[in-house]
Amino acid sequence: EAGVTQFPSHSVIEKGQTVTLRCDPISGHDNLYWYRRVMGKEIKFLLHFVKESKQDESGMPNNRFLAERTGGTYSTLKVQPAELEDSGVYFCASSPDQWLGEGIQYFGAGTRLSVL
Amino acid sequence: LAKTTQPISMDSYEGQEVNITCSHNNIATNDYITWYQQFPSQGPRFIIQGYKTKVTNEVASLFIPADRKSSTLSLPRVSLSDTAVYYCLVGHPSNQFYFGTGTSLTVIP
Repeated sequence: EAGVTQFPSHSVIEKGQTVTLRCDPISGHDNLYWYRRVMGKEIKFLLHFVKESKQDESGMPNNRFLAERTGGTYSTLKVQPAELEDSGVYFCASSPDQWLGEGIQYFGAGTRLSVL
Repeated sequence: LAKTTQPISMDSYEGQEVNITCSHNNIATNDYITWYQQFPSQGPRFIIQGYKTKVTNEVASLFIPADRKSSTLSLPRVSLSDTAVYYCLVGHPSNQFYFGTGTSLTVIP
């Protein structure tokens, strides 16, 4: 069974440009989460989808970040325009329906974003 | 969100048992305790999860006292490949996790 997949693994862009990160969760997982680690600090939550709906987006830093999950499958996280402080590693995780599975969050390898 | 406190770092020799304790005084009734392992340039990898008492799987054991205000991850006979950062997370698995600083474990030959 394929795990959580994230694309690209590394992205280098200039300040002011737009970048879109993609996450493909484990097939059948209703829950999808975005986290990020900025500048060597702790991993912090960004938002949580249940299928295509945003369950919790309290961690989104500002309106330059837009997350979507079309059809409840893969998700994209767009940063527009990117700023220097957005550099870091963005992790995606997925978990099955809490009533059907153990609720374990499985993480992808992350996308390393470098804003120059 | 229940925050956790873990030692920043630990060293151990190969073959020894390693116990990493985590404090979570504000744990809520429906919170679970989940431990993850992370290697450099990789995402966190699930190790073990529990609610109370003791849980054991093929890689680790998790001890949770009755008051659930702390937990201990036990890694039996560690090897060099166990060198990683270990995170203790508290929360309901379907909600967001709070990642603290984690414990950086170094296994020495």
